[in-house]
Amino acid sequence: AQSVTQLDSQVPVFEEAPVELRCNYSSSVSVYLFWYVQYPNQGLQLLLKYLSGSTLVESINGFEAEFNKSQTSFHLRKPSVHISDTAEYFCAVRWDTGFQKLVFGTGTRLLVSP
Amino acid sequence: DAGVTQSPTHLIKTRGQQVTLRCSPKSGHDTVSWYQQALGQGPQFIFQYYEEEERQRGNFPDRFSGHQFPNYSSELNVNALLLGDSALYLCASSLEGVYGYTFGSGTRLTVV
Repeated sequence: AQSVTQLDSQVPVFEEAPVELRCNYSSSVSVYLFWYVQYPNQGLQLLLKYLSGSTLVESINGFEAEFNKSQTSFHLRKPSVHISDTAEYFCAVRWDTGFQKLVFGTGTRLLVSP
Repeated sequence: DAGVTQSPTHLIKTRGQQVTLRCSPKSGHDTVSWYQQALGQGPQFIFQYYEEEERQRGNFPDRFSGHQFPNYSSELNVNALLLGDSALYLCASSLEGVYGYTFGSGTRLTVV
């Protein structure tokens, strides 16, 4: 079955420290990969996506993620976090099998403290 | 350019009742998907509508049904509500063939 695993339910870090949020998925079949961020009582906002091409993708607010096909991973990184990055982060995968749905991980809560 | 609009933002229903949630997709998008996000969980795919037809369905009972209108807007209906249906219901719109999904802010449904 297709699945997405975010092993870390919560990641506490200090402001200006680097962070990595891990995401692994179940199959190496052609995939499209997404990271979404959710602030309290809000919907999902697209942070970045990998569709094809360069395996390293970047967002406008300093996050980056790297597609690793051999390890079926799409980890999210930021070299220096801000208090405002505190939120829930979801990794999502769409497999290129004709199915249209996104499969989400269970989310990682990033807690940034001063 | 308006994004995805969902209504209502919150509602409270009693067990056994029926509820209808509404979604207006982002301008230019023709496909609408619905997701259920239980507290502390990731969103779970309910179904997707394209050209006014249900194209794909997740592992949800028939109590969950939907509709897409000619203007691409969509409704999610849930009958015989259970306490376990309490969740944030998210609508996502996309354009067929383009792999980008825009989510609305969701409808928070509480079943008491």
